[in-house]
Amino acid sequence: GQSLEQPSEVTAVEGAIVQINCTYQTSGFYGLSWYQQHDGGAPTFLSYNGLDGLEETGRFSSFLSRSDSYGYLLLQELQMKDSASYFCAVREGGVNTGFQKLVFGTGTRLLVSP
Amino acid sequence: DVKVTQSSRYLVKRTGEKVFLECVQDMDHENMFWYRQDPGLGLRLIYFSYDVKMKEKGDIPEGYSVSREKKERFSLILESASTNQTSMYLCASNGGGEGPGELFFGEGSRLTVL
Repeated sequence: GQSLEQPSEVTAVEGAIVQINCTYQTSGFYGLSWYQQHDGGAPTFLSYNGLDGLEETGRFSSFLSRSDSYGYLLLQELQMKDSASYFCAVREGGVNTGFQKLVFGTGTRLLVSP
Repeated sequence: DVKVTQSSRYLVKRTGEKVFLECVQDMDHENMFWYRQDPGLGLRLIYFSYDVKMKEKGDIPEGYSVSREKKERFSLILESASTNQTSMYLCASNGGGEGPGELFFGEGSRLTVL
């Protein structure tokens, strides 16, 4: 089977930096994605790491270490609108690499205060 | 804009009823997915499909079935709804032209079974 672990809740203040960690156990690992979900909204894609290292997209960065089965999402210059739930998701592939599924973690609720 | 549309945002059904949740995507995506989301449990994969008339069980398929007669439409069926199927149901899709870890989600269908 597969399992992903991430903290249930993180709090921070505006302007700060926060890191949300994700550790995983899975077979057929192809990559790690991050999603953001505001209350009442649909999950939206933030980033994907298929290889080790850091991927940067504006204020958000994501890191992957496949040897450690570990990744994190780094949010900089936090804003109130960043208050949301953040999910890591492991991409598991089939025999055909065009065929894939994502297995999600339980989510981290980020609360940003003034 | 890419779009995944779920037919109903809110449904209330009685135990034992047959329930259909419809999902349509306009992006010509090969892959479509049904997840359910429950507090503290994250998103759990029910079924997915990587081609018309193809279906694969996810992590929690019991009590559900799916249908994919056309590429753009993926239906989730609860043959006999039970109270433990009260949940938020999320449909998603992706295809070969998208990033490997990126899913596009619909707004969700909140089902209550009484």
